[in-house]
Amino acid sequence: DAKTTQPTSMDCAEGRAANLPCNHSTISGNEYVYWYRQIHSQGPQYIIHGLKNNETNEMASLIITEDRKSSTLILPHATLRDTAVYYCIVSSSNTGKLIFGQGTTLQVKP
Amino acid sequence: NAGVMQNPRHLVRRRGQEARLRCSPMKGHSHVYWYRQLPEEGLKFMVYLQKENIIDESGMPKERFSAEFPKEGPSILRIQQVVRGDSAAYFCASSPPGRPVNTIYFGEGSWLTVV
Repeated sequence: DAKTTQPTSMDCAEGRAANLPCNHSTISGNEYVYWYRQIHSQGPQYIIHGLKNNETNEMASLIITEDRKSSTLILPHATLRDTAVYYCIVSSSNTGKLIFGQGTTLQVKP
Repeated sequence: NAGVMQNPRHLVRRRGQEARLRCSPMKGHSHVYWYRQLPEEGLKFMVYLQKENIIDESGMPKERFSAEFPKEGPSILRIQQVVRGDSAAYFCASSPPGRPVNTIYFGEGSWLTVV
């Protein structure tokens, strides 16, 4: 599975959009981009995934560049409850074997 | 819809005892996964099971750890003769049949403390 690079930490003002970048320059054609987050002392939470096209659900939007070498997770109106570690994962495996890196610690501030 | 249910949430064991962690997947989910998160470390995959089958156990320590997902009942992660280094949060996850399997849903975890 391709390696991902994320900033260690980011801050965002409450009510503003949070844009979390992820680089995955070695991604191959059959690999999906997944985003999960982990709020302190809780289990990880699936957010969204995509292959080529941009995706949107009730939680977030995922923007994948045309060359697929990077992506951005967008939380349109961040709240204090969105403070968490956000993980960008690239994988083609069908075994649920996700490789979690260090992720981005997002701090939403009032 | 109940989520992935894990119990116990917190477990304290003395060195040398056995720990059993249970996981009931979401309704309709037939795939179960176990992950471990050591203090101040990231989540690590341990094992992937379907009913009565171990599909991928590449992340399981070679000794003392075992997992099962019987035809009836919850999945069990069993740790024999626990040591202090086993202290961690153990997360179970499940997914429905179909693709992509990597869309998995985690439980709230079982926190094991070995004293």
